[in-house]
Amino acid sequence: GQNIDQPTEMTATEGAIVQINCTYQTSGFNGLFWYQQHAGEAPTFLSYNVLDGLEEKGRFSSFLSRSKGYSYLLLKELQMKDSASYLCAVMDSNYQLIWGAGTKLIIKP
Amino acid sequence: GAVVSQHPSRVICKSGTSVKIECRSLDFQATTMFWYRQFPKQSLMLMATSNEGSKATYEQGVEKDKFLINHASLTLSTLTVTSAHPEDSSFYICSAQTGTGTIDGYTFGSGTRLTVV
Repeated sequence: GQNIDQPTEMTATEGAIVQINCTYQTSGFNGLFWYQQHAGEAPTFLSYNVLDGLEEKGRFSSFLSRSKGYSYLLLKELQMKDSASYLCAVMDSNYQLIWGAGTKLIIKP
Repeated sequence: GAVVSQHPSRVICKSGTSVKIECRSLDFQATTMFWYRQFPKQSLMLMATSNEGSKATYEQGVEKDKFLINHASLTLSTLTVTSAHPEDSSFYICSAQTGTGTIDGYTFGSGTRLTVV
């Protein structure tokens, strides 16, 4: 079956760095997405990786290793507004998005 | 950037009634619209994929007659929850492909919180 695993919850301190991991097993691979979702709101797009390596976008970076079925989202200089759920999603061979359950990130002052 | 407008944002209805949720792509043509349901602390669950001018494709376990999807134009897709019951209470979100749907990702509507009492 298809499976996306990510931690349920993480806690970090304002100003620090946090890494949210995602491992996946899917039928085919056409890219991996990271989305941010604040409580009660729809997800917003953060990043897309289809090749191995690190993609940096401001305070957020996303890494992919296709051979390991692994990705992480790195958040630097954490701000209170970064408190949200972070969803990992993989596009399979049918170009369908398979979603992880999300990681709730709690930022403490 | 691309915007998908979803209405209503919140709705409370009585058990047995029907509720219609609309999603409009404001500045692009959405040939394909995805409808998701999300229960608290759970992942997004794809309910159906609708293509303009054709019948929607429903995921296994989703009742076609209960969740009616209409995609009559390139800018409008609707989901009607018929004969709603308390167990249908959930967060419903639509999503459309923007451009290639990969580099730019998928654009989501703002979601509809449905509460059936």
